[in-house]
Amino acid sequence: QVQLVESGGGVVQPGTSLRLSCAASGFTFSNNAFHWVRQAPGKGPEWVAVISYDGSDKYYADAVKGRVTISRDNSKNTMYLQLNSLRAEDTAVYYCARAPYPGSATYYFDYWGQGTLVTVSS
Amino acid sequence: EIVLTQSPGTLSLSPGERATLSCRASQSVRSNYLAWYQQRPGQAPRLLFYGASSRAAGIPDRFSGSGSGTDFTLTIRTLEPEDFAVYYCQQYGDSPGTFGQGTKVEIK
Repeated sequence: QVQLVESGGGVVQPGTSLRLSCAASGFTFSNNAFHWVRQAPGKGPEWVAVISYDGSDKYYADAVKGRVTISRDNSKNTMYLQLNSLRAEDTAVYYCARAPYPGSATYYFDYWGQGTLVTVSS
Repeated sequence: EIVLTQSPGTLSLSPGERATLSCRASQSVRSNYLAWYQQRPGQAPRLLFYGASSRAAGIPDRFSGSGSGTDFTLTIRTLEPEDFAVYYCQQYGDSPGTFGQGTKVEIK
């Protein structure tokens, strides 16, 4: 069965960096685009970034552009999100989400991981 | 970007009752590219519908999605105990994809 497992979250100070990982199993990882979606406490989800099936296309939300890098390693069935210059408003649960589509177009998400909590606080 | 407004914010109902949730978009959603998700406490969102009315795999038929343009509806015909959760709509017809703020369906 499809499984997505995020890791790498934690409590960090403003201005620091963090790398999140999403390990996938139960399907052919290289067939799908993947997204990061975050959810601040008590809020609705917010799209963060997308990477196409082969890593050639990447797009970012304006709120994180220039501070975040999405990447993937198809040989390891893993996706990553490098978060830099973290701010208090980046505090959220970060989910990896699979699109049932290989390209980087805006899409819906058919599977989500359980999420990893990032807390930015001094 | 398209703003989605969900109403009501909270719906207090009893098991067995019918739930009607609304999602209104600030502009027409291209090709009715609207999805609905269910989120139970402490869990990730689960896809219910895409394309406004196409049911995702494994979703019971007591759930139905409808609507077009700017007005969309999620209906739960007869509430089961496991249906009490928060529901979100998402539009993916325009970039960036955006979500509503959610409707909480709670036990009355």
